[in-house]
Amino acid sequence: DVKVTQSSRYLVKRTGEKVFLECVQDMDHENMFWYRQDPGLGLRLIYFSYDVKMKEKGDIPEGYSVSREKKERFSLILESASTNQTSMYLCASRKTSGYYNEQFFGPGTRLTVL
Amino acid sequence: QKEVEQDPGPLSVPEGAIVSLNCTYSNSAFQYFMWYRQYSRKGPELLMYTYSSGNKEDGRFTAQVDKSSKYISLFIRDSQPSDSATYLCAMSVNAGNMLTFGGGTRLMVKP
Repeated sequence: DVKVTQSSRYLVKRTGEKVFLECVQDMDHENMFWYRQDPGLGLRLIYFSYDVKMKEKGDIPEGYSVSREKKERFSLILESASTNQTSMYLCASRKTSGYYNEQFFGPGTRLTVL
Repeated sequence: QKEVEQDPGPLSVPEGAIVSLNCTYSNSAFQYFMWYRQYSRKGPELLMYTYSSGNKEDGRFTAQVDKSSKYISLFIRDSQPSDSATYLCAMSVNAGNMLTFGGGTRLMVKP
């Protein structure tokens, strides 16, 4: 059974703190993604990674950075958290080969920045 | 204007009803169309996948794509309370491209 796990389900941080969100997949997928989900806005892509040590900006990268040192792990970093980064963060992974474009999602981390 | 539009709902229906969920889009280059289902406090999971125009059926679910109208639909027959979730449409130009998501429609099926 495919699995994408995220380090925390709920997280509360203070403005200005450095925040790390971790994502691990056990499917040997090359591609990994970080999205944020806000009511009415759907999923918006923050960053994605084609493979280890490779990263590309998505639609809303400002205020975020990422790290992918190992194939199975993709980290999202908020350098200095702000209240407008309060959101649900979803990690996903995908295999590059094959007909399907299916992305497999983790359960999400609900981050609140006070 | 968003690239993919979806009515946020909530859509409330009685058990057994036929449900129609819809998305409109503006990019005529989209060829791959997906419906994801997201239960409360869970990540989205792929429900249906369609390439180009036409219909695809899987059990109680039917996905329909009308590229001439830039309109996609998901029909749920004999809806069940377990179908209560948020349904997200997603689409891409090519199989390896990034997905563009709609905002999601929240569905509630009442027993």
